[in-house]
Amino acid sequence: EPEVTQTPSHQVTQMGQEVILRCVPISNHLYFYWYRQILGQKVEFLVSFYNNEISEKSEIFDDQFSVERPDGSNFTLKIRSTKLEDSAMYFCASSELGPYNEQFFGPGTRLTVL
Amino acid sequence: ELKVEQNPLFLSMQEGKNYTIYCNYSTTSDRLYWYRQDPGKSLESLFVLLSNGAVKQEGRLMASLDTKARLSTLHITAAVHDLSATYFCAVDMEGGSEKLVFGKGTKLTVNP
Repeated sequence: EPEVTQTPSHQVTQMGQEVILRCVPISNHLYFYWYRQILGQKVEFLVSFYNNEISEKSEIFDDQFSVERPDGSNFTLKIRSTKLEDSAMYFCASSELGPYNEQFFGPGTRLTVL
Repeated sequence: ELKVEQNPLFLSMQEGKNYTIYCNYSTTSDRLYWYRQDPGKSLESLFVLLSNGAVKQEGRLMASLDTKARLSTLHITAAVHDLSATYFCAVDMEGGSEKLVFGKGTKLTVNP
């Protein structure tokens, strides 16, 4: 069964450093998303991406964040200068174009900012 | 702003018992999703509810949607330990927004 994959599973970085989180969405899906979940809290939307551009973003997704689809398979989230409060689990998701919007989530990348 | 509220946030129940988790949302939406999350794991899609009166069942879980009341329920029948997990409902807004707004989750513990 097709699934969303993410790498790395765990990333530890120093405050102020840049990180890139990688995702491979399900191959025939056209919508891509990033969400984050701070430990013990609810899942929060960051950004959605369709047709090679951002279609929606949240207030969390400020200038420090960017997304890219560098090739036909990968979807990346870059945080330019990490802060302590960026420590969270980051989930990538993808969905088909259609009425259902059932989003399939990857296993997540745990980001720890020291 | 769309808000999604779940209750209870914590639920401890014995095996064999029945219980219902509630999900209320604040603005019009025709689509509601239930996800399961095991500790340290990702979100597993359980149900997609697309219209008023929709009811779906999978094993011991049954989900329903009342769009007029802006309420969805997840009913657990004869709980077993394997159902222990956190359950999230999520809603997307009408009008083309694809983002999901999640509730805070219900942490379910089923005790032997």
